[in-house]
Amino acid sequence: DVKVTQSSRYLVKRTGEKVFLECVQDMDHENMFWYRQDPGLGLRLIYFSYDVKMKEKGDIPEGYSVSREKKERFSLILESASTNQTSMYLCASSEQGAVREQYFGPGTRLTVT
Amino acid sequence: DAKTTQPNSMESNEEEPVHLPCNHSTISGTDYIHWYRQLPSQGPEYVIHGLTSNVNNRMASLAIAEDRKSSTLILHRATLRDAAVYYCILSIMDSNYQLIWGAGTKLIIKP
Repeated sequence: DVKVTQSSRYLVKRTGEKVFLECVQDMDHENMFWYRQDPGLGLRLIYFSYDVKMKEKGDIPEGYSVSREKKERFSLILESASTNQTSMYLCASSEQGAVREQYFGPGTRLTVT
Repeated sequence: DAKTTQPNSMESNEEEPVHLPCNHSTISGTDYIHWYRQLPSQGPEYVIHGLTSNVNNRMASLAIAEDRKSSTLILHRATLRDAAVYYCILSIMDSNYQLIWGAGTKLIIKP
């Protein structure tokens, strides 16, 4: 059974803190994605990666960075958290190729106070 | 600019078929149509996708209009476990086939 896990379901951080969100997949997928989900807006792509050490900006990369040192792990970093980054963060992975099913983790609800 | 338009919510009775509509009038010939659903407190899960022809799988059927400007996701016999937000999504070649998500349709199943 395919699995994408995220390090925390709920996280509360203070403004200005550095925040790490971890995502691990066990399917040997090449592609990994970070999205944020806000009410009424659907999912918006922050960053994605097609291979180890490779990253591409999505639609809303400002205020975020990512790291992919190993194939199975994709980390999202908020260098200095702000209240407008309070959101649900979803990680996904897929096989290599243009049109592939994405498998999602359960999400991390981040609150920045 | 929204790529897909869906009703905000729909209701259906348990064990009856459900037809979830989606309009995508600006679709181009190389754009794929995807459907995902998100159950409460979970990440989205893939349902089905297609390009031009109708598609069937164990979860649902996808009916695509001949001009491809609209599509319909069909759940043949809805159960209470099908209550979720259903997203109609395009993947666009010009954007390297990244998924362009809309707000989705909240499907309510009445027992």
